[in-house]
Amino acid sequence: DTGVSQDPRHKITKRGQNVTFRCDPISEHNRLYWYRQTLGQGPEFLTYFQNEAQLEKSRLLSDRFSAERPKGSFSTLEIQRTEQGDSAMYLCASSRPSGNTIYFGEGSWLTVV
Amino acid sequence: QKEVEQNSGPLSVPEGAIASLNCTYSDRGSQSFFWYRQYSGKSPELIMFIYSNGDKEDGRFTAQLNKASQYVSLLIRDSQPSDSATYLCAGYTGNQFYFGTGTSLTVIP
Repeated sequence: DTGVSQDPRHKITKRGQNVTFRCDPISEHNRLYWYRQTLGQGPEFLTYFQNEAQLEKSRLLSDRFSAERPKGSFSTLEIQRTEQGDSAMYLCASSRPSGNTIYFGEGSWLTVV
Repeated sequence: QKEVEQNSGPLSVPEGAIASLNCTYSDRGSQSFFWYRQYSGKSPELIMFIYSNGDKEDGRFTAQLNKASQYVSLLIRDSQPSDSATYLCAGYTGNQFYFGTGTSLTVIP
């Protein structure tokens, strides 16, 4: 058990391009969260899965953002038509079925130029 | 709107002193509270959580929760330079975790 894994760790993309991040949660964790964090701010909730079901999505999440967890294991977060304001660290976290503690991956840094 | 308020700092303490970090929260329905440590450029790392009124100790760390005052704190005893980081306070309710903006702590050797 190596913890929550995220890939890629760093991504530089041109404005208007699409990017996709992958998250592999801790193996026995069925809950998976995506957060976004910018400099000087705390993590901001984006969306939450329990198994393969996306149960909650932030109102701040524009239509350019989509997340999936097709088999209840790994998850992907896609950002379409990236904008400079999307530059941030995208954090994935997971928790046990009965747990209320989340553990973060190392994050995926996105820079939109 | 669930919110956690933290003093952004920076907070500076000498090595060996006690560092005191505080946060207040808005949602009385919140069930648990967490302290995460985040080094610059890294992801948050869980230090400890608390869900009952009172104190909870873990090594050099003590978390305190006062639900009546909607107040959570973290005490770090015998502060070390390696404790220099941003400390995030988080609340949990309805399967959602919500974070403060963090307090920057510097421990001066």
